[in-house]
Amino acid sequence: NAGVTQTPKFQVLKTGQSMTLQCAQDMNHEYMSWYRQDPGMGLRLIHYSVGAGITDQGEVPNGYNVSRSTTEDFPLRLLSAAPSQTSVYFCASSYRGSWNTEAFFGQGTRLTVV
Amino acid sequence: KNQVEQSPQSLIILEGKNCTLQCNYTVSPFSNLRWYKQDTGRGPVSLTIMTFSENTKSNGRYTATLDADTKQSSLHITASQLSDSASYICVVSQGGSEKLVFGKGMKLTVNP
Repeated sequence: NAGVTQTPKFQVLKTGQSMTLQCAQDMNHEYMSWYRQDPGMGLRLIHYSVGAGITDQGEVPNGYNVSRSTTEDFPLRLLSAAPSQTSVYFCASSYRGSWNTEAFFGQGTRLTVV
Repeated sequence: KNQVEQSPQSLIILEGKNCTLQCNYTVSPFSNLRWYKQDTGRGPVSLTIMTFSENTKSNGRYTATLDADTKQSSLHITASQLSDSASYICVVSQGGSEKLVFGKGMKLTVNP
């Protein structure tokens, strides 16, 4: 059981470049989300999805796009990378059948923008 | 403002000792409170999820308490092991939404 899989694990980008962070889950979870984790701060929600075809903005959505064409995949796109987007990114998924279900996190993608 | 505050920010203890981590929150409406363990370079892993009606919940050597009246929670680690060295994150789920409010986490170091 793979759980939540993120790729790549590490990435270095130049300012202005674009890229897509991949996230896939094999638990048939409806809810998926993207967070960023910065030193001295709690995880902050970027975008989330409550099901295929449905996405919404979180706390810090600027500079990022998402789509949810399938239940399994939830890619995060950086449109034009900026040094402020240097961070560790986590994808998470959970079942929406109950409001107190566990959220499963991927291993993270460490992104550096130079 | 919905916030989750953790203390201490860091803690160093000797292997075999007990320790208690604190969490205060102002998230409203409250749905549930979670404790996560995050090893260096890994994603957070859930330790416990507590609803407002649960005062205590255990997961092996980890015991979480919740006082919904004072909006405080604690995570007690018994007989610490080197593998307990990690960051511990307190997270509160906001009622009526899927939103999770994260604390900044605290770093626990267990030395031999």
